[in-house]
Formats: sequence, C-alpha cells, structure tokens
Amino acid sequence: EAQVTQNPRYLITVTGKKLTVTCSQNMNHEYMSWYRQDPGLGLRQIYYSMNVEVTDKGDVPEGYKVSRKEKRNFPLILESPSPNQTSLYFCASSSDRSSSYEQYFGPGTRLTVT
Amino acid sequence: AQSVAQPEDQVNVAEGNPLTVKCTYSVSGNPYLFWYVQYPNRGLQFLLKYITGDNLVKGSYGFEAEFNKSQTSFHLKKPSALVSDSALYFCAVRDRSGGFKTIFGAGTRLFVKA
Repeated sequence: EAQVTQNPRYLITVTGKKLTVTCSQNMNHEYMSWYRQDPGLGLRQIYYSMNVEVTDKGDVPEGYKVSRKEKRNFPLILESPSPNQTSLYFCASSSDRSSSYEQYFGPGTRLTVT
Repeated sequence: AQSVAQPEDQVNVAEGNPLTVKCTYSVSGNPYLFWYVQYPNRGLQFLLKYITGDNLVKGSYGFEAEFNKSQTSFHLKKPSALVSDSALYFCAVRDRSGGFKTIFGAGTRLFVKA
C-alpha cells in the first residue's frame, strides 16, 4: 500500500529536550515536505526537499532541522524544543512524474512541549 | 508577500443544496492549484488540482473547482452537498518555477446540515 508514515503519532516532551520525528514514504517520490498545522493558520511549510541532499526552507523554518540522506526518509529534528512548537505536524511527499503533483500526507504527529 | 486567502472560516449549507468554498491567491507566476480535505482526526486527502488546460476541473467525491486567472481564484464547488462532506477544506498553491514551495490557506470548515 502506498503510504507516508510518521512516528511517533503523539509526543509530549519538555523544553530543550532534543527530539526527532521520522517520516518515510514508499512511493519513490522525489519531493518531501514538513508542515505544521495550527488553528486559524492552516498548514505552514517548515522545510521541503526536492531530492536526496537537496533541502530548502519553507515559511517557518526557525527552530527546526531536516536532512534527506535517503530518498524515502525525511526526518524533522527539533534540537531545543520550545512551547511555541506545540503543534500538529504533517509530513508529505509528492512527485511530478506522470503529471501527478499532488501531495500525499502522513497521519500527523501531535507534539506538546511543556 | 505571497498568500492564499480563504475568506470564510465556516460555510453552512443544507444537504442537497449546492456548495461553494472560496479561495483566492496572490502568488507570482502561474502556480499549481490544489484542494485538500481533512476529516476529523484524520490526515489530509487530495481532492483535485489545476495544472493546465480546462479551467473547470473535476475531482473526488463529486467536487469540482473553477480556475479564474483574471481574478486569481480557485473556488471549490459541489452541485449537491452531503452530510458526509462536512470537514475542513484547504486551498493550496505551489510554485511552478521548479521548486516545491507550497502555501496553504487557513482552511474553511464546511457544515452540511441534514
């Protein structure tokens, strides 16, 4: 089954404790992206990647890091989480092959930073 | 600044009536345009897209959208609403210039009353 998986689905942590949210896709998509969803703000793009070792900032990259060492994986790293990073996070993947273009989203990770 | 506007936080419609969810954008160039839907406690699902060609595009679950270049709008429509259409709808635009920068609107919550 074609899918995007994220782990963990729920995470409660404390300020300053480094964490990683993993994302993996099995569709051989070249594009991957991270978003955060906050009430009234929709989804805001944090970082995206156009292929292995190619990443770029979205609209809200501060406080986040990403890497793309393998095509299928795109982890999101919070080196020193703060309460304003409490949010619902989505990973997505996409491809321009076969005129596709749309994004496939993971199930989301709800992060609470206390 | 590039932006996507969904001017209505909420749209209420009676079952069987037509529905429209509005989206306008302010983005340079001719972006790719998308609609996604989020059902309660679930991830986002792709509904439809405009890439090129006919201004009226048809998508999943009987939804359609009309691209209007002069008004920079991409309104989502359905001729006859169902209670099961009740969800949160997001309009999104993606830069066509070769990147993967994507901007989402804040979302419109659709309530369909039986």
